[in-house]
Amino acid sequence: GAVVSQHPSRVICKSGTSVKIECRSLDFQATTMFWYRQFPKKSLMLMATSNEGSKATYEQGVEKDKFLINHASLTLSTLTVTSAHPEDSSFYICSASARGQGSYEQYFGPGTRLTVT
Amino acid sequence: GENVEQHPSTLSVQEGDSAVIKCTYSDSASNYFPWYKQELGKRPQLIIDIRSNVGEKKDQRIAVTLNKTAKHFSLHITETQPEDSAVYFCAASRTGGGNKLTFGTGTQLKVEL
Repeated sequence: GAVVSQHPSRVICKSGTSVKIECRSLDFQATTMFWYRQFPKKSLMLMATSNEGSKATYEQGVEKDKFLINHASLTLSTLTVTSAHPEDSSFYICSASARGQGSYEQYFGPGTRLTVT
Repeated sequence: GENVEQHPSTLSVQEGDSAVIKCTYSDSASNYFPWYKQELGKRPQLIIDIRSNVGEKKDQRIAVTLNKTAKHFSLHITETQPEDSAVYFCAASRTGGGNKLTFGTGTQLKVEL
């Protein structure tokens, strides 16, 4: 099956610093990648949709200058949380959908637990 | 945009009983409805999905039903087991919208011995 990895799995950073999270599709080409944020005991909230080679589309209320997304290749997307603050502490999950007509399924990465101190 | 509501938020059943979780959606153009199981600190796992051209789909103890007219879909788990305990999310998306998923609020299922 399609495998998506994320790195790192956990990260602790100090307030004001930036953190980069990588999302990779290991065995398929991901035309579209999605970034979600999940707070404790809450649902997954879509932050942005990323298509290879183009700018990401951000959901309403998500600051594009704070959450920088790059999708430079068909197998890699990165999310950089800039000037992180404690309220950015959350579980960040990426997903990827494969190239192909009628492709509906998204394949999720294992998530990254970000703690900002 | 799409809005997905999910009920109940918590569900406790006895082992061997059935569990039913219901979702409603707002966008009549939505045509793909997956269900995910998420254990604490883990990624969501797809357990079953249904497309709008069918009304029901079954996979062993799990089934999903879809009523397009009423815009609601349900997850049915029969013969529940303790390992079914987890948070379950429904979601909806439509082709042409970049396959963007809108998730429900989740149901904490607890299967008691």
